[in-house]
Amino acid sequence: DAKTTQPPSMDCAEGRAANLPCNHSTISGNEYVYWYRQIHSQGPQYIIHGLKNNETNEMASLIITEDRKSSTLILPHATLRDTAVYYCIAFNSGGSNYKLTFGKGTLLTVNP
Amino acid sequence: GAGVSQSPSNKVTEKGKDVELRCDPISGHTALYWYRQSLGQGLEFLIYFQGNSAPDKSGLPSDRFSAERTGGSVSTLTIQRTQQEDSAVYLCASSSQGAIKGGYTFGSGTRLTVV
Repeated sequence: DAKTTQPPSMDCAEGRAANLPCNHSTISGNEYVYWYRQIHSQGPQYIIHGLKNNETNEMASLIITEDRKSSTLILPHATLRDTAVYYCIAFNSGGSNYKLTFGKGTLLTVNP
Repeated sequence: GAGVSQSPSNKVTEKGKDVELRCDPISGHTALYWYRQSLGQGLEFLIYFQGNSAPDKSGLPSDRFSAERTGGSVSTLTIQRTQQEDSAVYLCASSSQGAIKGGYTFGSGTRLTVV
């Protein structure tokens, strides 16, 4: 799976949009971009994933650039409970691939 | 059940003792994964099950670690002769092989402390 690069930490004010960047310049055509988050003392939680098109669900939006070399996870109205480590993962879901490899992620701190 | 259940949630054991950690995946999820997370560290893959078979055990740190899965459901991770470096949170996840193959559901983990 392609390597992803994320800033180690970010801050966001409560109620504002949090935009978390991820670079995946070596991503291949059949690799999806997955986002997870891990709130302190909990297991990671799946947020969203996408291949080419922008995606939105009840938790977040995922914007993928046209060349697919980077993406941005958007939390439209961040709350204090969104403080967590956010992981961006390039994952080839085809064939026998199965293993998600987690990097160090971005620690997002939402401030009151 | 509604989610992935792990037990115990906390385990303190003496160095040299054996421990068993249990994972109950989401019903119908064929894939099951064990990870561990040491204090302040990232998630380290341990083993993957597809049904009752473990095609990839490459992440198990030593032969003191073993895991099994029965009935395509419950999995047990066993650590023999525990060492202090085994102290970590052990996380289990399950997934279906359907549309969101990479959409794992994680349990809350078992915090293992070896004293």
